[in-house]
Amino acid sequence: DVKVTQSSRYLVKRTGEKVFLECVQDMDHENMFWYRQDPGLGLRLIYFSYDVKMKEKGDIPEGYSVSREKKERFSLILESASTNQTSMYLCASKTGVGELFFGEGSRLTVL
Amino acid sequence: DQQVKQNSPSLSVQEGRISILNCDYTNSMFDYFLWYKKYPAEGPTFLISISSIKDKNEDGRFTVFLNKSAKHLSLHIVPSQPGDSAVYFCAATRGWGNYGGSQGNLIFGKGTKLSVKP
Repeated sequence: DVKVTQSSRYLVKRTGEKVFLECVQDMDHENMFWYRQDPGLGLRLIYFSYDVKMKEKGDIPEGYSVSREKKERFSLILESASTNQTSMYLCASKTGVGELFFGEGSRLTVL
Repeated sequence: DQQVKQNSPSLSVQEGRISILNCDYTNSMFDYFLWYKKYPAEGPTFLISISSIKDKNEDGRFTVFLNKSAKHLSLHIVPSQPGDSAVYFCAATRGWGNYGGSQGNLIFGKGTKLSVKP
């Protein structure tokens, strides 16, 4: 069974803290993605990667960075968390041809 | 500029009746369309898809219709059940193949919240 695992389901952080969100997939997919979901705004793409050590900006990359050192792992980093980054973060992966598989999501609250 | 639009933020339907969720797109290069379902506090799950070479795809209670000339697709759920209550996202992509880069990325609508009442 396909699996995309996000390290934390719920996090509470303070403004200015550095935040790491980890994502691991066991399907040997080349492509991995980070989205955030906010009510009324749908799913917005933050960053994606189509190969190890490769990354590309999505629609809303400001305030975020990513790391992909291994094929199965894609990390999202908030260098200095702000309250407007309170959101549900969703990791996903896919092959070149195929549907997108999502993780369970990480609900981040920044106080 | 939104390339994929779901104009109804919410929809309420009685159990046993038909639910129709609509989606419009602007990019005529899109050639593959998908519907995802999302429960609160969970990740979206794939529901059904359709290629631009078809105008209908059916899977059990779920049917997706595609009208390319109108750049419109719809998801029909018959009969609707309370467990179908969720947010439904429409998504589209151009180049359903391994082109690398961003060409295979999915573009999502903002979602429609479906409530099916017993």
